Amino acid sequence: DQQVKQNSPSLSVQEGRISILNCDYTNSMFDYFLWYKKYPAEGPTFLISISSIKDKNEDGRFTVFLNKSAKHLSLHIVPSQPGDSAVYFCAASDHSGNTPLVFGKGTRLSVIA
Amino acid sequence: NAGVTQTPKFRILKIGQSMTLQCAQDMNHNYMYWYRQDPGMGLKLIYYSVGAGITDKGEVPNGYNVSRSTTEDFPLRLELAAPSQTSVYFCASSDSSNQPQHFGDGTRLSIL
Repeated sequence: DQQVKQNSPSLSVQEGRISILNCDYTNSMFDYFLWYKKYPAEGPTFLISISSIKDKNEDGRFTVFLNKSAKHLSLHIVPSQPGDSAVYFCAASDHSGNTPLVFGKGTRLSVIA
Repeated sequence: NAGVTQTPKFRILKIGQSMTLQCAQDMNHNYMYWYRQDPGMGLKLIYYSVGAGITDKGEVPNGYNVSRSTTEDFPLRLELAAPSQTSVYFCASSDSSNQPQHFGDGTRLSIL
């Protein structure tokens, strides 16, 4: 039973355009959400997070939106750059710390020059 | 700035052999984790530790053992390697359970 779902295995976007990566979750106890980025032969690196008390968090070109009623979050990258080509993982947990992070399967983003 | 260091980077084992995957962190983090990533899949938690001397099972602990005798080190032991354990293994650490985790670069393990 997947508690965190990334339904798009891959996404291709032209350089300069917006990339939108989506993530759905089923566990209503989740209140802390993170995005990680992974390049081949490297470990995942933390990108951005959001707590359920917010519906948006922005860091430079990266913005995460949270829709609690729909149990949905999305990562927007604008403008997309070739260096953004990587696998992006969505992860969720509860702030109490009782639940370790649960990861989605990832979405491979390709930014085409 | 080493962060999380995993050794070895690659290893090939025969069925039935045993080995230990090493993980060390230099950030004085209390929390440490072991994940495996199979092709096309997300990260699955094997074991985690909230501090020296304390370990707990994750989602897929069968066939593995861990120990945490120091804050810095969190080795993962495979006792009887099986082909189903062919995967990429990632170690991670964090300051607390609700802080972002820092990952090592992984150990790619093949069991033939």
